[in-house]
Amino acid sequence: QKEVEQDPGPLSVPEGAIVSLNCTYSNSAFQYFMWYRQYSRKGPELLMYTYSSGNKEDGRFTAQVDKSSKYISLFIRDSQPSDSATYLCATDRDDKIIFGKGTRLHILP
Amino acid sequence: DGGITQSPKYLFRKEGQNVTLSCEQNLNHDAMYWYRQDPGQGLRLIYYSQIVNDFQKGDIAEGYSVSREKKESFPLTVTSAQKNPTAFYLCASSSLGTDTQYFGPGTRLTVL
Repeated sequence: QKEVEQDPGPLSVPEGAIVSLNCTYSNSAFQYFMWYRQYSRKGPELLMYTYSSGNKEDGRFTAQVDKSSKYISLFIRDSQPSDSATYLCATDRDDKIIFGKGTRLHILP
Repeated sequence: DGGITQSPKYLFRKEGQNVTLSCEQNLNHDAMYWYRQDPGQGLRLIYYSQIVNDFQKGDIAEGYSVSREKKESFPLTVTSAQKNPTAFYLCASSSLGTDTQYFGPGTRLTVL
């Protein structure tokens, strides 16, 4: 089993909808989780990070970690066409970041 | 204006030639990283360095070499030994003791 797994999509949703992006991870020792957003032909940019379990909210974005099921989620409210990008979940192991393969998201105007 | 710069944005080389990709940061970060990104493969770690004059192999180091002579700079050489060098290369940096990495804009290398 890969350490971080993510459905590659693409995921297409209408503008204004709530988007749910998800990842699973294999190691219950992972504590720190990140979401990066990557626009086409650009470098990834850090969107949010969380420690351990629970929710963290930043504007239209909410990151959620469920350690019991080893599941991490990113919710986007009131989605906009500018949210169209690839979203990568990540965690850290031994001073290295382990990335999911990314989910391509398309917000349809 | 702090950040990570990579140059050039697009690079074309003939098969069999070595090529060096530049990565510079002015964030005063100790650690720097090189990743390769292929469609459907996600980010794969090539090399990383946590201190000047020291670096470690990542998951796919074969066919690549790096140097870290200055804190600000971490160039990557793609050698002719790399079997499939055409890819999008990303450089990142972070402060020691933190897990958050900041990425440059990337270099798209095409080997003809």
